[in-house]
Parts: sequence; C-alpha cells; structure tokens
Amino acid sequence: AQSVTQPDARVTVSEGASLQLRCKYSYSGTPYLFWYVQYPRQGLQLLLKYYSGDPVVQGVNGFEAEFSKSNSSFHLRKASVHWSDSAVYFCVLSVNSNNRIFFGDGTQLVVKP
Amino acid sequence: EAAVTQSPRNKVTVTGGNVTLSCRQTNSHNYMYWYRQDTGHGLRLIHYSYGAGNLQIGDVPDGYKATRTTQEDFFLLLELASPSQTSLYFCASSSGSGNTLYFGEGSRLIVV
Repeated sequence: AQSVTQPDARVTVSEGASLQLRCKYSYSGTPYLFWYVQYPRQGLQLLLKYYSGDPVVQGVNGFEAEFSKSNSSFHLRKASVHWSDSAVYFCVLSVNSNNRIFFGDGTQLVVKP
Repeated sequence: EAAVTQSPRNKVTVTGGNVTLSCRQTNSHNYMYWYRQDTGHGLRLIHYSYGAGNLQIGDVPDGYKATRTTQEDFFLLLELASPSQTSLYFCASSSGSGNTLYFGEGSRLIVV
C-alpha cells in the first residue's frame, strides 16, 4: 500500500540554524514527490517537486530536497532558516498508476528568534 | 498563476442543516479535489473529479456529496450536517496525475 510518513509532528529550530524535515514514502514504483507549505490561515503552496533525474531538487526560498530510492525518503532541507519559515510542511506522494495522492500528516516548524 | 477560489470562507450551521461549499478554478484543470483538514489527521480526501459530470469517492466520503457541474466548478454538499463535520475544507485542482496541486484558501465550517 502507498503511504507517506512524516515522523516529526513538530520541529523547533533557532533562526539561522540549518533544517531537515524528514519524509518517508511507501511505493514500489516510480514516485512523484512534493513538498508543500501551509502558512497560518492559508492554503497549501508548492515548495518543490521531484519527478526524475537529479535526486536533489531546488525549491523556493532556499529550500531543497533529496530523493533517495534506496531509503524511500524525500527529506527537505534549508541551510539557514528565517522566522518567516514558521509554518506546516507537508510531504506528498503522487502515484501515477492509480491517480492517487497521499499526504503526510505534516510537520509544524517553529523558528525561534 | 493558477487560481482556486472557495466560498464561503467561513460558515456556521446547526446540526441537521444543509451546507454547500463552492470551489471554482480558472486554470482549465481537469482534476479537482475536496479535502478536509483536522488536527492530527493532516489532509483527508473526501471526493474528487476528473472532469465535468465525473465524481470519484475519496477516503472519507460518508456524509458528503459532491457535484462537478462544469470544468471550473466543484461543489461539496453536506445535507444533514453533524458536529463531526466541523473542519477546515480545502479545494484543489491539478492538470493531471503527478502534477502540482493548486489549493484554495480554505472554508472553515462549524456545525453546532
């Protein structure tokens, strides 16, 4: 069965520190993977996506993610976080074979000043 | 920029009431989705559609109906609202499987 797991419900980091948000997926085929961000009282917005090719993909606002087929992971990273990065981050798997989309439960990122 | 507009943004209704949430996308997307978002559950798929007149059942469809009247418009209907349907509802559209989802701003529904 296909699924997405974000093991950390909440992550707290200091402003200027580096960040990694973890995402593991379950799917035996070729995944389409996304990271979305949800700011307070807003809908979800795309940060970045991976379809194929270079396993490291760049997104908006300095975010990047690395796909690992061997680890079934798609972790999100940022070298230096800003207070405005405080939001909920969702890892998403899209499965082409059955047109289904699977969301992780989200990770609440809190950036301390 | 893709645009998805939801209405109403906020709604309060009584138990047993009738509610319609509307979603319009101006992206010429074929796929449209209704999700609900609750603390501890992330986003859960209620219904989705591949095009006008098409309807697919999602993961949590009980108590909800949906109708896709045109390519642009997708409605979520709660005919006998219950307090368990108090939630934040999101509509989204995409051009196809594996493509980016574009979300509306959300509709907050409270059933008292």
